[in-house]
Amino acid sequence: QVEMVESGGGVVQPGGSLRLACAASGFTFKNFGLHWVRQAPGKGLEWLSFIKYDGGEAFYADSVKGRFTVSRDNSKETLYLQMSSLRVEDSGLYYCAKDGEAFVSRFDHWGRGILVTVSS
Amino acid sequence: SYVLTQPPSVSVTPGMTAWITCGGNHIGSKSVHWYQQRPGLAPVLVMYYNSDRPSGIPERFSGSNSGNTATLTISRVEAADEADYYCQVWDLESDHVIFGGGTKLTVL
Repeated sequence: QVEMVESGGGVVQPGGSLRLACAASGFTFKNFGLHWVRQAPGKGLEWLSFIKYDGGEAFYADSVKGRFTVSRDNSKETLYLQMSSLRVEDSGLYYCAKDGEAFVSRFDHWGRGILVTVSS
Repeated sequence: SYVLTQPPSVSVTPGMTAWITCGGNHIGSKSVHWYQQRPGLAPVLVMYYNSDRPSGIPERFSGSNSGNTATLTISRVEAADEADYYCQVWDLESDHVIFGGGTKLTVL
């Protein structure tokens, strides 16, 4: 079955950087778009980024554009999120999610999430 | 950018029907997807393309979308349905995924 496992979270100081990874299995990775979504404690879902099945196109939420970079390695079946210039408000649970299609539609499988805490 | 509006909370008695709405400008022209998030767990897709149910989702869950409102309907509500529910669309104009603010469904 589909499995997505996030890693790389932790505590970082404001202004710092962190790289999240999401290892996927159970589906043909190279055929599907992938997303990052975060959830601040007690808050709703916030979409962050999408990358197309071949990595040829990516989109970002305004809140992270220019600071976060999404990438994927189809040979390793892994999704990445490079986060820089981190702010306190970037703290939260970060989910990777598989799209149901090559481009953007729905999130049909989610990881369990990884916690990122930005604090001095 | 495009905004989706959900009621913060909906309460329902077991066995009755719950309607969770998602409002947006001409949302009927978009494809709406719905997620259920139980406490401490990752979201789960419960409805896609307005009214399609993923495998494993009970037939009690149904969806509709017209005009400025999309609706997730849960019939014969059970205690296990108590969760937060989020609607989602893809906004072509901004190239952004948009989530609604979420609705907490309480089963009384």
